[in-house]
Amino acid sequence: GENVEQHPSTLSVQEGDSAVIKCTYSDSASNYFPWYKQELGKRPQLIIDIRSNVGEKKDQRIAVTLNKTAKHFSLHITETQPEDSAVYFCAASQNSGYSTLTFGKGTMLLVSP
Amino acid sequence: NAGVTQTPKFRVLKTGQSMTLLCAQDMNHEYMYWYRQDPGMGLRLIHYSVGEGTTAKGEVPDGYNVSRLKKQNFLLGLESAAPSQTSVYFCASSYRMDGYEQYFGPGTRLTVT
Repeated sequence: GENVEQHPSTLSVQEGDSAVIKCTYSDSASNYFPWYKQELGKRPQLIIDIRSNVGEKKDQRIAVTLNKTAKHFSLHITETQPEDSAVYFCAASQNSGYSTLTFGKGTMLLVSP
Repeated sequence: NAGVTQTPKFRVLKTGQSMTLLCAQDMNHEYMYWYRQDPGMGLRLIHYSVGEGTTAKGEVPDGYNVSRLKKQNFLLGLESAAPSQTSVYFCASSYRMDGYEQYFGPGTRLTVT
């Protein structure tokens, strides 16, 4: 089955800095890669996703890049703000049929004012 | 719309007791999922359902049973609770399974003593 590795497990940045979280996956058939944000005590919520036919996708201050050859994808947050502090999860699945999501173990991002 | 709701929010069980967690969604989603979240382990899929009356095993199904008698409800049962089942349980639903957003419920914090 699919295996998703996520690094780093914790990340501390100053407000205004950029943050990068990286994930690797094992199943070359995976072609859908979402990112979820979970604030303390809250439910996970989708913030951005990318499919294998796209190399990069942006939404305001967040972007995701995908390297299918290396089986690697990353979340980039620019101009970080204290409200970006949360746990971020990457995931992977096949974009066909009954394909379940496999999640990484999460990255705790702390943005200090 | 309430989205995805879960009951109860908190529960403490003694080893060997049984209980049922209820998940309900009002988005007419076909697909529903149960995850457990443990510190440093991310979200792990317990069971899922691709439609009313159907269920399937996920990554960590042992010790749990599920039922999907109505499209809007997905029940997770623990027949004989064990301390290893202490966790936060999240239910999720999606319109489609292949590459579509999963909407999560608020979670149930279960402690087994």
